Amino acid sequence: ETGVTQSPTHLIKTRGQQVTLRCSSQSGHNTVSWYQQALGQGPQFIFQYYREEENGRGNFPPRFSGLQFPNYSSELNVNALELDDSALYLCASSLAGAYQETQYFGPGTRLLVL
Amino acid sequence: GQNIDQPTEMTATEGAIVQINCTYQTSGFNGLFWYQQHAGEAPTFLSYNVLDGLEEKGRFSSFLSRSKGYSYLLLKELQMKDSASYLCAVHYSGNTPLVFGKGTRLSVIA
Repeated sequence: ETGVTQSPTHLIKTRGQQVTLRCSSQSGHNTVSWYQQALGQGPQFIFQYYREEENGRGNFPPRFSGLQFPNYSSELNVNALELDDSALYLCASSLAGAYQETQYFGPGTRLLVL
Repeated sequence: GQNIDQPTEMTATEGAIVQINCTYQTSGFNGLFWYQQHAGEAPTFLSYNVLDGLEEKGRFSSFLSRSKGYSYLLLKELQMKDSASYLCAVHYSGNTPLVFGKGTRLSVIA
């Protein structure tokens, strides 16, 4: 148990819809990173939030957006869902915004887009 | 690019030793993580190597050679519960996120 929680655990959406995924970071951590993990692949970095500001972004289109709240929990929003967005979405919390810190992952949200 | 290469699948016998290799591009290398991921679950941290050499943690050890762009994870006295994917992730210098390999799916058989 890492103390990182995510909701919902599973979600089914149709193409074109919008989705919001949520993550609560480990106590004392002010940084949340989001990853997309397709089946049989490693996690792909989407973006990171540090103290409520975006602190880096991977190669994902603008329809992937996020927020971090004052309590350091975070949301990932995906608009105009596509079939290829079907994946496990992982959030990871870390202590202070540096990428070389150990990241602690939540259990993930499995998204299926039909 | 910053390709991280790992074997896709490995099979080993309960009680045996297995070595999972990871190669990466050395330019800008800062450190290397190993994570374990059981099917359908979150990755869990195993080790972080920055300096050359072997670091041992119980049944698991991780080795790094910075000059060769090579790391391995060594699992001893394999147990059935070690069946999982093992992810190698590299941190390159600067404010850059981790780059993950595709993972090695290890099956431990009786």
